[in-house]
Amino acid sequence: DSGVTQTPKHLITATGQRVTLRCSPRSGDLSVYWYQQSLDQGLQFLIQYYNGEERAKGNILERFSAQQFPDLHSELNLSSLELGDSALYFCASSVGVTGSETQYFGPGTRLLVL
Amino acid sequence: GNSVTQMEGPVTLSEEAFLTINCTYTATGYPSLFWYVQYPGEGLQLLLKATKADDKGSNKGFEATYRKETTSFHLEKGSVQVSDSAVYFCALSEAGANNLFFGTGTRLTVIP
Repeated sequence: DSGVTQTPKHLITATGQRVTLRCSPRSGDLSVYWYQQSLDQGLQFLIQYYNGEERAKGNILERFSAQQFPDLHSELNLSSLELGDSALYFCASSVGVTGSETQYFGPGTRLLVL
Repeated sequence: GNSVTQMEGPVTLSEEAFLTINCTYTATGYPSLFWYVQYPGEGLQLLLKATKADDKGSNKGFEATYRKETTSFHLEKGSVQVSDSAVYFCALSEAGANNLFFGTGTRLTVIP
């Protein structure tokens, strides 16, 4: 158990809908990262927050947004969903922001868009 | 830019066989290098890491050495077990950046 929790575990929705994925980092970790794992794109970095502020952005679509709240949990919002958004979404956390730090991954949320 | 190239899978080995999974990288600076493992139905777990050239990361019998001259970080284990069956990801994190760049993953199956 990494100490990172993600809800829900599974999500099934329809095209055009909006969903929210939730992540609680390990106790004491200030950084939260979101990754998408799909069969065709592999594991891709989406976005990072550090202590409530956006820190880095990767291949995140404009239809997707995220935030980190004062209690450090984070939410990833996916809107106008398309079939291609079906994937496993991972949250990870780390203490700080240096490149050498270990990131601890949650179990993921599996999203299926029908 | 940053990229990680991993050995194509899947890899099937008999128990107690020697394992090598090749990983090479491209980075503009001096990255940290990682191996993560994903067991069926689970998230990724850090297996080992190395943060500078010639460092060797090791854990659970797995080893990898950070080779700057060949830009490689190959994963090795002397004697694999059935419980090592999983998908292994090589990744890098650029100095000054925080996000991980992952390879495509290599699925390992160990048969008794």
